[in-house]
Amino acid sequence: SYEVTQPPSVSVSPGQTASITCSGDRLGYKDVCWYQQKAGQSPVVIIYKKNRRPSGIPERFSGSTSGNTATLTITGTQATDEADYYCQAWETVVFGVFFGGGTKLTVL
Amino acid sequence: EVQLVEAGGGLVKPGGSLRLSCAASGVSIVNAYMNWVRQTPGKGLEWVARIKSRSDGETTDYAAPVKGRFSISRDESRNTLFLQMNSLKTEDTAVYYCTTDRDWKFDDWGQGTLVTVSS
Repeated sequence: SYEVTQPPSVSVSPGQTASITCSGDRLGYKDVCWYQQKAGQSPVVIIYKKNRRPSGIPERFSGSTSGNTATLTITGTQATDEADYYCQAWETVVFGVFFGGGTKLTVL
Repeated sequence: EVQLVEAGGGLVKPGGSLRLSCAASGVSIVNAYMNWVRQTPGKGLEWVARIKSRSDGETTDYAAPVKGRFSISRDESRNTLFLQMNSLKTEDTAVYYCTTDRDWKFDDWGQGTLVTVSS
């Protein structure tokens, strides 16, 4: 099994930059996705292949990886960005998909 | 537009069985990679199973906690994905989502169906 770790919560003021990190062994060498889940809704992919944005996802969302860490950055955070964020790694040697425990982003 | 509609959840006793379905529109599930992902309040999101497209051999993969107990399959004529769940345990209690899987991301999600395993 493969473990992916995220902080349970992050707070940010409107208009500021929020960073949510995700860690796992050699995570930077794997394809990483980020999902946003608002209350009562299904998850939505906002970043895939470490730093790509699906069509329709605002440019203020970006992803990066380095070593054992993946980071989701939200620049100019808006109140509507308040949600749970999950990172997810793909393991291809023996196929598996692993999610972090989720981070609740609060926009104060 | 892709729509995925899960059904079949409910209350089942430990050791029991349940079959979930996911009716798809806007996508041919035979030509897609399809997955089941579950969500529990305590453990967040957890990938459960995947079936590859027909052109890629329709092979299946399972997460360790469900291997040998769950089975993913599909009915081309009904464009419907299934998850047969046997020997259910209390820890299988979750909302189960079906998802498409393209370009190494879970693209489309259904609204989920709740499975509760309890005596």
